[in-house]
Amino acid sequence: AQKVTQAQTEISVVEKEDVTLDCVYETRDTTYYLFWYKQPPSGELVFLIRRNSFDEQNEISGRYSWNFQKSTSSFNFTITASQVVDSAVYFCALSVPGYGGATNKLIFGTGTLLAVQP
Amino acid sequence: DSGVTQTPKHLITATGQRVTLRCSPRSGDLSVYWYQQSLDQGLQFLIQYYNGEERAKGNILERFSAQQFPDLHSELNLSSLELGDSALYFCASSAGLARRNEQFFGPGTRLTVL
Repeated sequence: AQKVTQAQTEISVVEKEDVTLDCVYETRDTTYYLFWYKQPPSGELVFLIRRNSFDEQNEISGRYSWNFQKSTSSFNFTITASQVVDSAVYFCALSVPGYGGATNKLIFGTGTLLAVQP
Repeated sequence: DSGVTQTPKHLITATGQRVTLRCSPRSGDLSVYWYQQSLDQGLQFLIQYYNGEERAKGNILERFSAQQFPDLHSELNLSSLELGDSALYFCASSAGLARRNEQFFGPGTRLTVL
């Protein structure tokens, strides 16, 4: 079965603190893709990053970094020097095949609400 | 702005009614997905269309149906509405069927069933 677990329901930090959001996934596929999306208070879902199962290299984009470890089935997201504008719900998602193998529906975790206090 | 548009933004209706949610994908995208976000179920995949054909189905109720038209816009029809159908409905689009394709989400339609 495919599943994404985000055990942290809510995290509160003070501005400029570093924060890590955890994501653990389950899949029997050898090829899969993992995603992070951000949902700010306005409600839209914003794509942040995609990572495939063959690439375990960590990625950094400005204050954002992602740590993918197949050995622990984790794809964690770190925000360095957090800012109030980072306050949002963050979702981790797994791309899984449907019937025929030719689809890429997303299985989402339950999300982590990040509150950055000034 | 993701390039995916959804109308209406808000919809308030009564139990037993039928509504239609509309989605226009990003220019050039052939795949359209519908997701439901509710407090108790989280973000759940409903259904996917690719170039007019249904490609995958998730936990979509029989009272719900969707289609994708030749101009690639999609509609999600919800009928015999119940209180529990109140949710945020997202449409997303991607270039194709490959799992590497990121999905870009529209702003959502907030449905309230009274």
